[in-house]
Amino acid sequence: QSVLTQPPSVSAAPGQKVTISCSGSSSNIANNHVSWYQQLPGTAPKLLIYDDNERPSGIPDRFSGSKSGTSATLAITGLQTGDEADYYCGTWESSLSAVVFGGGTKLTVL
Amino acid sequence: QVHLEQSGGEVKKPGASVKVSCKASGYTFTRYGISWVRQAPGQGLEWMGWISAYNGNTNYAQKVQGRVTMTTDTSTSTAYMELRSLRSDDTALYYCARARSPYDILLYWGQGTLVTVSS
Repeated sequence: QSVLTQPPSVSAAPGQKVTISCSGSSSNIANNHVSWYQQLPGTAPKLLIYDDNERPSGIPDRFSGSKSGTSATLAITGLQTGDEADYYCGTWESSLSAVVFGGGTKLTVL
Repeated sequence: QVHLEQSGGEVKKPGASVKVSCKASGYTFTRYGISWVRQAPGQGLEWMGWISAYNGNTNYAQKVQGRVTMTTDTSTSTAYMELRSLRSDDTALYYCARARSPYDILLYWGQGTLVTVSS
């Protein structure tokens, strides 16, 4: 049981937009920055979004992050087949003094 | 360019210990720390803890506290994660990642080390 709750799976057609939610609480998302990671099959996770809505260099602006209260959202526009991956949200859990991740969301591009 | 090279896969028996290494290059090792994250087969990411390469300060996850020891060797820019009293549910891919602090973003990751615990 993860501290952060994500939908197990989402799907959309190529070119469409998809959003992935990450629900937490006042001791994590509401008061700490959220990061998002993409994990392609058989590879290490890759940082997509940090500080709720910032993109590292090289990450296309098709990927965006937002946060409101105890929830965060990753949006991906102009979906491509290469976006098929698992996506994880992560943040600091103040009550545990630990990093916590969501359970992950598998994105299927139909 | 920043690179984290991890040691090879290990097969251990229940009750044994494993020590995974993570050799850093492309940056000043002591200006950052190393976080360790594991992923059981078909499961999500689990943060195990963080160590400062500057002063050796550590922050361990409650779940592995008491069984894990993270260390660094600044002479070789290498971080180590030792996990003791291994159980079958410790079977996982273990990743190291560069991080300034326990709550820092994980921009650079190692390739992962598969640890299999089986009798």
